[in-house]
Amino acid sequence: GAVVSQHPSRVICKSGTSVKIECRSLDFQATTMFWYRQFPKKSLMLMATSNEGSKATYEQGVEKDKFLINHASLTLSTLTVTSAHPEDSSFYICSARSDQDSWEKLFFGSGTQLSVL
Amino acid sequence: DAKTTQPTSMDCAEGRAANLPCNHSTISGNEYVYWYRQIHSQGPQYIIHGLKNNETNEMASLIITEDRKSSTLILPHATLRDTAVYYCIVRVAGEYGNKLVFGAGTILRVKS
Repeated sequence: GAVVSQHPSRVICKSGTSVKIECRSLDFQATTMFWYRQFPKKSLMLMATSNEGSKATYEQGVEKDKFLINHASLTLSTLTVTSAHPEDSSFYICSARSDQDSWEKLFFGSGTQLSVL
Repeated sequence: DAKTTQPTSMDCAEGRAANLPCNHSTISGNEYVYWYRQIHSQGPQYIIHGLKNNETNEMASLIITEDRKSSTLILPHATLRDTAVYYCIVRVAGEYGNKLVFGAGTILRVKS
């Protein structure tokens, strides 16, 4: 089945630094990828839709300058948490939709646990 | 906002069928119902989806009511490894395209 690779799985950083998270579709092309955020014991919250070759579209309340998204190719989207602070600590998950299939399935990465000290 | 409502939690005995209900009373005629599950600290895993007819795959069965306002996910022989949060999702049309908006989900605990 389709595989989405997310890296790193866990990162610890100091407050004020930036962290980049990568999301790759390993065996399919993905024009559209999605980024979610999840707090402990809470559901996934959609942050933004990443579109290959164009700007990402952000959900209401998500700071685009804080969470930079780049979707430079059909197999890679990156999320950069800029000037991270402790309140940015969370579980970040990406997902991708195969261009070859109908819309109906999303494949999810394994997530990145970000801890900001 | 999520367009589905699910019970907060359910328990199921190992080996028995787990029936997880979901209400989606505002679903439109051409919208699919999707089910995903998330095991602790992992990304969600696709289970099944359907439109009108009942569906079955190697993981589960999906029963959709005739009026499409509710559905039930059935795990026929639950195992301990099926303990997870189960999300019933209806696709939401956004300004720039469709997206999946997760609700709170149902915590399924399979017990021996």
